[in-house]
Amino acid sequence: AQSVTQLGSHVSVSEGALVLLRCNYSSSVPPYLFWYVQYPNQGLQLLLKYTSAATLVKGINGFEAEFKKSETSFHLTKPSAHMSDAAEYFCAVSSGTGNQFYFGTGTSLTVIP
Amino acid sequence: DTAVSQTPKYLVTQMGNDKSIKCEQNLGHDTMYWYKQDSKKFLKIMFSYNNKELIINETVPNRFSPKSPDKAHLNLHINSLELGDSAVYFCASSRDRGGNQPQHFGDGTRLSIL
Repeated sequence: AQSVTQLGSHVSVSEGALVLLRCNYSSSVPPYLFWYVQYPNQGLQLLLKYTSAATLVKGINGFEAEFKKSETSFHLTKPSAHMSDAAEYFCAVSSGTGNQFYFGTGTSLTVIP
Repeated sequence: DTAVSQTPKYLVTQMGNDKSIKCEQNLGHDTMYWYKQDSKKFLKIMFSYNNKELIINETVPNRFSPKSPDKAHLNLHINSLELGDSAVYFCASSRDRGGNQPQHFGDGTRLSIL
């Protein structure tokens, strides 16, 4: 069975500061991992995905995430927060068949000017 | 061009009514999904179809019935609407049912039950 835990339902950072959003997964098989962003009144957009290639994955808008098998983590980072990064962020793990995604409970990112 | 489009964007209706939400994707994907997002932003999968075949059918009241007339469309019909059905419903699609395929989401349908 797969599941995802996102630590911290709300994260606040100052503009220009490092963004770190945490995601830990549990999976009985090698996982596929994703980060999505949801802006107000919009659907989810893919930020990046890990599918067993490089462990450091670069995504859109300057975000990246590192797959650490030993820690079962897939934390999302961005070196310098921008006001436009304020949104809800979801981590998801996928099983190998049926493409059923298991989403975390989301982390709301606030960027303080 | 909108990749995954849902209609309507907003739906306000009374308890007991029957309503439908439509979804279309122009990405040529084989697999489509319905999700429910509650007021706390929790996303729960409801159904998934692959080439018009139902492949995921989570524990959802049987008042909810999906229909896929072709692989580009997945509609959701809800009978006898209840207060607890108020939520945002998202349609999504993926290239196929492989686990490494990202899902592409529509902008959601905001359903409010009075």
